[in-house]
Amino acid sequence: AQSVTQLGSHVSVSEGALVLLRCNYSSSVPPYLFWYVQYPNQGLQLLLKYTSAATLVKGINGFEAEFKKSETSFHLTKPSAHMSDAAEYFCAVSDQNRRNEKLTFGTGTRLTIIP
Amino acid sequence: NAGVMQNPRHLVRRRGQEARLRCSPMKGHSHVYWYRQLPEEGLKFMVYLQKENIIDESGMPKERFSAEFPKEGPSILRIQQVVRGDSAAYFCASRSGTVNNEQFFGPGTRLTVL
Repeated sequence: AQSVTQLGSHVSVSEGALVLLRCNYSSSVPPYLFWYVQYPNQGLQLLLKYTSAATLVKGINGFEAEFKKSETSFHLTKPSAHMSDAAEYFCAVSDQNRRNEKLTFGTGTRLTIIP
Repeated sequence: NAGVMQNPRHLVRRRGQEARLRCSPMKGHSHVYWYRQLPEEGLKFMVYLQKENIIDESGMPKERFSAEFPKEGPSILRIQQVVRGDSAAYFCASRSGTVNNEQFFGPGTRLTVL
């Protein structure tokens, strides 16, 4: 079975500061990993995904994440936070060996940007 | 190209009534997923369908919940005899048949059971 743990249900950073959202996964097979963002009362939007190519993945809105197999981590970073980054962020994993590709999500991290 | 459409966006039901949630996938997408998001929680997988077939329903409650994706028309998630614990946001996602392709999410249906 797969699982995702997101450390920190709430993270606050100052505008212009580094954003670091943590995600650790558990999977018995090579995983595919995703970060999604959810704005209030909206659906999820894909930020970036890791599918066994480059371990450093660049996404939209200046976000990137690095897959570290030895640490079973896929942390999300952005060098300089913007007010528009305030949202909920979800890390997810799917099993690349299974045909159904369903996603298993973490419980989310709510990011607040301090002006 | 329109995104994934869900309706209604908000649905209020009294205990014991039926709730029908609709999802129209993106054009050209034949794979549909339903997820449920309880308050203050992440999304939980419910069911995966392709046209006219249920592929994986391992996340569906055993009773009162059913899903379909007919040859024509939207996918339907049906909840019979709703209870307060069914109050949640229900999200539909679709993808094309290409392996490892991205799932695109709809805006969700927020179900409130009074």
